Amino acid sequence: DIQMTQSPSTLSASVGDSVTITCRASQSITTWLAWYQQKPGKAPKLLIYDASSLESGVPSRFSGSGSGTEFTLTISSLQPDDFATYYCQQYNSYSSWTFGQGTKVDIK
Amino acid sequence: QVQLVQSGSEVKTPGASVKISCQASGFRFTNYYMHWVRQAPGQGLEWMGIINPSGDSISYAQNLQGRVTLTRDTSTNTVYMELSSLRSDDTAVYYCARDAVAGLNYFDHWGQGTLVTVSS
Repeated sequence: DIQMTQSPSTLSASVGDSVTITCRASQSITTWLAWYQQKPGKAPKLLIYDASSLESGVPSRFSGSGSGTEFTLTISSLQPDDFATYYCQQYNSYSSWTFGQGTKVDIK
Repeated sequence: QVQLVQSGSEVKTPGASVKISCQASGFRFTNYYMHWVRQAPGQGLEWMGIINPSGDSISYAQNLQGRVTLTRDTSTNTVYMELSSLRSDDTAVYYCARDAVAGLNYFDHWGQGTLVTVSS
C-alpha cells in the first residue's frame, strides 16, 4: 500500500494567517490526491481533488498543489470556520485508497 | 441534493456481527461506486472496501478480508456493510461515501456516520 505522511500533526494559527499543510506519498501518485476537512463529530468534506482542483462550493482561500510524491494544502487568510482536521488521500491504486494521519489546525 | 443516510448507532459484544445501511438519494444510484471508511476514536480514516454499481465487483482492504461484506440493493438505493467477529478495536464511526466518478477516485459525498461500539 502507498503510505501517506502529513506534516505537521498539529498547527496553531490565528484568524487571518496563511497556513500550509504538507502531504508526502511513499511512491509517485502523479496528481491522484484529494484533501478533506473534518470537524468534530462530522463526516469529512471534500475540499480539493486531483491535487489542485477546488470542489464546487469550497471557498477560494483553499488551494492545493503538487505532483508525484509531495503535495500541499494552503489556506490563505484563515477563517474561524477553518479550524478543523485536514486529511490527504491518495487514489492512485484501485482497492488501495489511503489517507494521511491528519493535521489538526487549532487556534493559537 | 445528494444525500447518504446511514442507520443508527450499534452496541455489540465481541464476536458478534454488525450490519450498517446507507440509503442514497438525489442521484442515480446505479451509476456510482460506493465505499466504506471507518474512524476509530481520536484516530484517522481507514478505507474498508468498494462496491461497484451492479454489486458484482467488490474489493476489500487486506486487513479486513474475510470479516467484511459489502452488498447493495438497487431497489431501495441502499448499500450495506457487514462486519463479523467483532473485536474491541472495531469500535469506530463507520462512513459510507460516494466515489466521485467511476471507481478510482476521491469521495465527493459522505454519510453522516454510524458509531459501532464493541464492548463486553
